[in-house]
Amino acid sequence: ETGVTQTPRHLVMGMTNKKSLKCEQHLGHNAMYWYKQSAKKPLELMFVYSLEERVENNSVPSRFSPECPNSSHLFLHLHTLQPEDSALYLCASSQDARGPDTQYFGPGTRLTVL
Amino acid sequence: AQSVSQHNHHVILSEAASLELGCNYSYGGTVNLFWYVQYPGQHLQLLLKYFSGDPLVKGIKGFEAEFIKSKFSFNLRKPSVQWSDTAEYFCAVIPRSQGNLIFGKGTKLSVKP
Repeated sequence: ETGVTQTPRHLVMGMTNKKSLKCEQHLGHNAMYWYKQSAKKPLELMFVYSLEERVENNSVPSRFSPECPNSSHLFLHLHTLQPEDSALYLCASSQDARGPDTQYFGPGTRLTVL
Repeated sequence: AQSVSQHNHHVILSEAASLELGCNYSYGGTVNLFWYVQYPGQHLQLLLKYFSGDPLVKGIKGFEAEFIKSKFSFNLRKPSVQWSDTAEYFCAVIPRSQGNLIFGKGTKLSVKP
């Protein structure tokens, strides 16, 4: 399944570093999402974009900065992260953010903050 | 707040045993329901979904789930598990009034050969 791809798959960074996660969807969808998956916690929705416009931001700290240059690409820019930000970051896409559509997930980026 | 509860954190079964994973949600309105599976080292994949119609839905790899509206439940079942079913299973709900997918914490299934 290569509908949603994410790079890098693994990332280790220090608290003072700046890095970016990339997501690309090849499904012709209009909505894209960032989720955080931590151990023993439900997946947490971070950001929702519909047609390149941010429609939801679930009180995510400003050290996470999303960017959606077009409907196929989504970035998550990271700066001055904390060790508790270590997690699996998942990207997903769906046909339309305004409807209850099926979301398709990428493989995730395993982030470790030292 | 809306939530999804998965009753078991870790289930261990022998091959050929029957499986039932519980899922309950707290939302009074109309919902769409999903089960996703995450095999070791792989991404989340859709196993099955319920939008409307027959409350017994069949998914891939012999899995099925039954939506019982009166119980706010959407339990996942498989009559005979295989070692290859070892994975983590996530129940998720989208209230029709808003499109945010709400996940349960997941149930890890380990199948012993």
